[in-house]
Amino acid sequence: EVQLVESGGDLVQPGGSLRLSCAASGFTFSNYWMGWVRQAPGKGLEWVASINQDRSGTYYVDSVKGRFTISRDNGANSLYLQMDSLRADDTAVYYCARQYLTSPHWFDPWGQGTLVTVSS
Amino acid sequence: EIVLTQSPATLSLSPGERATLSCRASQSVDSQLAWYQQKPGQAPRLLIYDTSNRATGIPGRFSGGGSGTDYTLTISSLEPEDFAVYYCQQRRNWPLTFGGGTKLEIK
Repeated sequence: EVQLVESGGDLVQPGGSLRLSCAASGFTFSNYWMGWVRQAPGKGLEWVASINQDRSGTYYVDSVKGRFTISRDNGANSLYLQMDSLRADDTAVYYCARQYLTSPHWFDPWGQGTLVTVSS
Repeated sequence: EIVLTQSPATLSLSPGERATLSCRASQSVDSQLAWYQQKPGQAPRLLIYDTSNRATGIPGRFSGGGSGTDYTLTISSLEPEDFAVYYCQQRRNWPLTFGGGTKLEIK
């Protein structure tokens, strides 16, 4: 069974940092693009970042460029999101998602999400 | 950035009825469009990708269509478990973008 389990969400002050992790199991992690999508409380979905299989390509939404870094460890079957200079509008549930093998940039499946709250 | 506009924002229907949800893009997405379903307290689930392909395990009552800038998700006969929020997403250009969602509620 494919599983994605996020961790690392927390309450952090504006300007602070946080590192999210996503543990993957049930599939060959190194074969897939992976991504992060967030959802602010009561709002819609927003793509945050994606990374290709060998880490040679990373992509970000403009609002997080220069502040967030997506990375992966294929040996550990893990995806990460380093979040620096956090702002109140970064408050959201952050989902880790695998991208479709034969048709990348569609997200399937998703983890259960981890909540990041940025507040003083 | 490609903006996706979903309509209606809320759709009130009864079980057994047909639902048609719309997603309009600010420029052509060349059929590179997907649909997701999200139920309260759950992560989204991929339903349709590349405009009309059902994802694994998705029932046949879900279908997608469209081209250029206009796309639809159709649920042929609503089941109680289909009442949820639906999002479209494009992958034609970076950044990947989602529509604002359509809430399908029980009438």
